[in-house]
Amino acid sequence: ETGVTQTPRHLVMGMTNKKSLKCEQHLGHNAMYWYKQSAKKPLELMFVYNFKEQTENNSVPSRFSPECPNSSHLFLHLHTLQPEDSALYLCASSQDRGGGDTQYFGPGTRLTVL
Amino acid sequence: AQSVAQPEDQVNVAEGNPLTVKCTYSVSGNPYLFWYVQYPNRGLQFLLKYITGDNLVKGSYGFEAEFNKSQTSFHLKKPSALVSDSALYFCAVSLFSGTGANNLFFGTGTRLTVIP
Repeated sequence: ETGVTQTPRHLVMGMTNKKSLKCEQHLGHNAMYWYKQSAKKPLELMFVYNFKEQTENNSVPSRFSPECPNSSHLFLHLHTLQPEDSALYLCASSQDRGGGDTQYFGPGTRLTVL
Repeated sequence: AQSVAQPEDQVNVAEGNPLTVKCTYSVSGNPYLFWYVQYPNRGLQFLLKYITGDNLVKGSYGFEAEFNKSQTSFHLKKPSALVSDSALYFCAVSLFSGTGANNLFFGTGTRLTVIP
C-alpha cells in the first residue's frame, strides 16, 4: 500500500478556501489519475496524466485544477468548492496507458466542504 | 460505451462457506476486466484481472474469477470465506482505444459481509 501515497488523509475546508491534495507514486509508473468516490456512485474518473501530459479531463468543473510536475507527483488544487464536492478523492498510477495495465490506488483524501 | 453492473449491493455469507460476488459488463470489443477490494478508510486494492487466455483467473488472498464471454460476466469467487474478507468489492472494465486510453469503468460496488 505504500506504493502510492496521498496527503492529507483528511481535509475540512470552507467554500472560500484554497487547498491542495498531493499524490506521490513510488512505482516508477508513467500514468497517474485522479478519481472521485461518492457514496452509492461508481468511481468517477476526473483527470489522467501520461508522461506528465494531461490526456483526459472528464468535464470536471474548473474549481478543480490538476498539476503534474513530474511522473511521480500529482496535485489537485481546490478553490471555491461546493458542499457536493465532499467525497473521497483517490489517486492512482499505472505503468502506461495500455488497456490491460493495472492501476494502483492510494489510500485517498477524505474531503469535507462546509 | 463501456459499463459494468454489480447487481447486488450487499452479499452476506457465513464464514467457511463459498462466496460469489457478481459482475456483468457491456463493451463494444474485447474487455479487460478487473476486481478491486476496498477496506474501510483505505484505497482500492487490486485483486485480479483478466486480459486474455484462460477464462479462470486466480488472484490474491485465494480469490478467483471466471470470464464468461457468452454471458458477459466476470464473477468473483472464493471457496471458503473468511471474516477478514468483509469489505467493499468493485468490478471494473477497460478497453484499449485508438488513442491508447485505458479508462477504467467501475461498478457501484458490492459490500460483502462474512458472518462468523
